[in-house]
Amino acid sequence: AQSVTQLDSHVSVSEGTPVLLRCNYSSSYSPSLFWYVQHPNKGLQLLLKYTSAATLVKGINGFEAEFKKSETSFHLTKPSAHMSDAAEYFCVVSLYDKIIFGKGTRLHILP
Amino acid sequence: GAGVSQSPSNKVTEKGKDVELRCDPISGHTALYWYRQSLGQGLEFLIYFQGNSAPDKSGLPSDRFSAERTGGSVSTLTIQRTQQEDSAVYLCASNTGTVYNEQFFGPGTRLTVL
Repeated sequence: AQSVTQLDSHVSVSEGTPVLLRCNYSSSYSPSLFWYVQHPNKGLQLLLKYTSAATLVKGINGFEAEFKKSETSFHLTKPSAHMSDAAEYFCVVSLYDKIIFGKGTRLHILP
Repeated sequence: GAGVSQSPSNKVTEKGKDVELRCDPISGHTALYWYRQSLGQGLEFLIYFQGNSAPDKSGLPSDRFSAERTGGSVSTLTIQRTQQEDSAVYLCASNTGTVYNEQFFGPGTRLTVL
């Protein structure tokens, strides 16, 4: 069985400081892992994906995530937050037709 | 088409009425998913189609909810006798059905039940 846990429901950072959104997963096999972003009143957009190639994955808007099998983690990071990063972020684990969404982390950017 | 489309974008209905929500997936995508997102909540899985069949209906919250897919393309989600708790954004996503299941999402239908 697969599961995904986003460890923080809300994260607040100041503009210009690093962002860390945490995600842990559980899967019997090697899954694909994704991060999606949803801006207020907007649709879901793919940020990045891990599909068993490089463990450090770079996405759009300066975000990246590192797949750590030993820790079963896929944390999302960005070196310097921007006001436009304020949104909800979803970690997703996928294996064939089973796609499991985390409950989401709302990122707040403080001026 | 260029992406997943959903119609209507907004639907306001009265309690007890039936509603139909439509999803047009990306051409050639064999897998289609319906999700529900209530205000301030994450995504709730409803149903999954592979082609025209639905191997996983486990997320449908009650027998008032049903969905079908025809021609391996368009899907319709029907909610009968709507209740106020059905108010939410209903999202559709499609993908190629391969092992690396990147989801392509539609813009959603915002359903409001008065």
